[in-house]
Amino acid sequence: DQQVKQNSPSLSVQEGRISILNCDYTNSMFDYFLWYKKYPAEGPTFLISISSIKDKNEDGRFTVFLNKSAKHLSLHIVPSQPGDSAVYFCAASEYGNTGKLIFGQGTTLQVKP
Amino acid sequence: EAGVTQSPTHLIKTRGQQATLRCSPISGHTSVYWYQQALGLGLQFLLWYDEGEERNRGNFPPRFSGRQFPNYSSELNVNALELEDSALYLCASSNPTGLTGNTIYFGEGSWLTVV
Repeated sequence: DQQVKQNSPSLSVQEGRISILNCDYTNSMFDYFLWYKKYPAEGPTFLISISSIKDKNEDGRFTVFLNKSAKHLSLHIVPSQPGDSAVYFCAASEYGNTGKLIFGQGTTLQVKP
Repeated sequence: EAGVTQSPTHLIKTRGQQATLRCSPISGHTSVYWYQQALGLGLQFLLWYDEGEERNRGNFPPRFSGRQFPNYSSELNVNALELEDSALYLCASSNPTGLTGNTIYFGEGSWLTVV
């Protein structure tokens, strides 16, 4: 049972344009969501997070939007840079079980110069 | 400030042997987590230690075990190694956990290859 889904395995955008990565979840007990960036053979790097009491969180070029009614979140990267090319994972945790992150399968982002 | 550090970086073991992986959390973090990323699979939650106690474990057999030491470092032990245990093992840490979400920071991982 895939509780967190990233339905797009890959995404290609032009440098300077917006990258939008999507994530859907099924568990209504999830109350905290995180995005990580991962290069091959390295550990995930934390990017940005959002609590379920918010619908938007912004940090520099990265903005995460949460639509609880649709059980959907998205990560916007503006402007996209070639160094953003990596695999992006969304993850979620339940209220009261914050240490157990459930990860999506990842989306590979390629930003073309 | 040092991040989460893991050792060894790479480990090659024979089927049936035991592997021990080690992790030092970010200074001030008391919660430590272990995740597995097998080839072609996503990141799977393995274990969660908080103040020396096991708080939760993922859907892994008992031959995966670990512990957290008084200095909050941790080790993961995998007994009776099987070929499918070959994976990247990621340690992560965070500030003391509450009921609501917490940012979890990952180390670079330890590659375990079982031959």
